[in-house]
Amino acid sequence: GEEVAQTPKHLVRGEGQKAKLYCAPIKGHSYVFWYQQVLKNEFKFLISFQNENVFDETGMPKERFSAKCLPNSPCSLEIQATKLEDSAVYFCASSQSIGRGYGYTFGSGTRLTVV
Amino acid sequence: GQNIDQPTEMTATEGAIVQINCTYQTSGFNGLFWYQQHAGEAPTFLSYNVLDGLEEKGRFSSFLSRSKGYSYLLLKELQMKDSASYLCAVRDSSTDKLIFGTGTRLQVFP
Repeated sequence: GEEVAQTPKHLVRGEGQKAKLYCAPIKGHSYVFWYQQVLKNEFKFLISFQNENVFDETGMPKERFSAKCLPNSPCSLEIQATKLEDSAVYFCASSQSIGRGYGYTFGSGTRLTVV
Repeated sequence: GQNIDQPTEMTATEGAIVQINCTYQTSGFNGLFWYQQHAGEAPTFLSYNVLDGLEEKGRFSSFLSRSKGYSYLLLKELQMKDSASYLCAVRDSSTDKLIFGTGTRLQVFP
């Protein structure tokens, strides 16, 4: 499709529970990016994929966060044992390529609330 | 290091012109993007600059000076629907990531 589809739109989890978020990139886009947006609009980079391969995971809190992009499946971001500070909007974006001239198309985000 | 600075908030009147500035320091530079984000929605692409100068797109224009690490987004004939956050983002050529500023929240009053 022509949009980045993220599900669910909202997710509420009790502290310590698992949360799983999904993202279907635009068809033909090879790169997928996950960002975490907390208060005051700060976008924090988490991880990026080139097709099924991790491209850059320098932003991932590896103890509890994991992500995958498998062929013929939506990409996923999973948080084990959620904490209150994980409450944020998680945006997925896709890009046809990287480098000069290529921007991102964002999905509408998943709002995660940890209570 | 990597740093992108924008004013936190701005206000303007319907019909007026507003300029939102962005300064950046990144390890590498492969273009600067402006995104608009309405509350609770996804950022949407507004403009892209990779060479120095002004890019005009209807009511919106964006300017870049690479030597100064500076860009601005100019919004003309402001409308109420322009009330949103405006995000400046730089593609860092050394990491291929888009690095975002914290955004400028613009409120347009009648």
